[in-house]
Amino acid sequence: EADIYQTPRYLVIGTGKKITLECSQTMGHDKMYWYQQDPGMELHLIHYSYGVNSTEKGDLSSESTVSRIRTEHFPLTLESARPSHTSQYLCASIGQNTEAFFGQGTRLTVV
Amino acid sequence: KQEVTQIPAALSVPEGENLVLNCSFTDSAIYNLQWFRQDPGKGLTSLLLIQSSQREQTSGRLNASLDKSSGRSTLYIAASQPGDSATYLCAVRGNQFYFGTGTSLTVIP
Repeated sequence: EADIYQTPRYLVIGTGKKITLECSQTMGHDKMYWYQQDPGMELHLIHYSYGVNSTEKGDLSSESTVSRIRTEHFPLTLESARPSHTSQYLCASIGQNTEAFFGQGTRLTVV
Repeated sequence: KQEVTQIPAALSVPEGENLVLNCSFTDSAIYNLQWFRQDPGKGLTSLLLIQSSQREQTSGRLNASLDKSSGRSTLYIAASQPGDSATYLCAVRGNQFYFGTGTSLTVIP
């Protein structure tokens, strides 16, 4: 059973608002990832982290930022939401050479 | 950059059939390969993980093989059921984690 949690599951927000998507895992994994996925489309890597105080941009930074102050917590922040940010956001964690586990995702709609 | 391709993009089969999903990747320097299932609007559920030193893994009706030298993996599903309908993704782990484009499977009752 995967112990990785994302909140909220669904969010509708107005253009220009600042939002933070939460991701937490209790497995002690060092590596964590954020992906963006439109319906029926492939996953795009937004940000990743190899441990505390380590963050890197992926192929699609989507004008968002992340932080990794604690091993178990990897929040994603959109400073100013736009309709183009409407998508599903998936968080994942990986232990050393072990399975990747995904959260259930946050479905974001920006109106 | 690693490229991961899955064929076919979509597949529709009658219930009870055995089927094979294919995954190919361009860089054989990988740590492992993982198969996932994704239901509409949901996250990814891990099905099977194959380490780079392994040739195959089995879980219930699922069997995944890995041929690292040729850059290929297959996911075999035996006696398919309507509940198997979902999108199946393969992902290879090298320096980063690279996903295929997925195979959308529909099992018709």
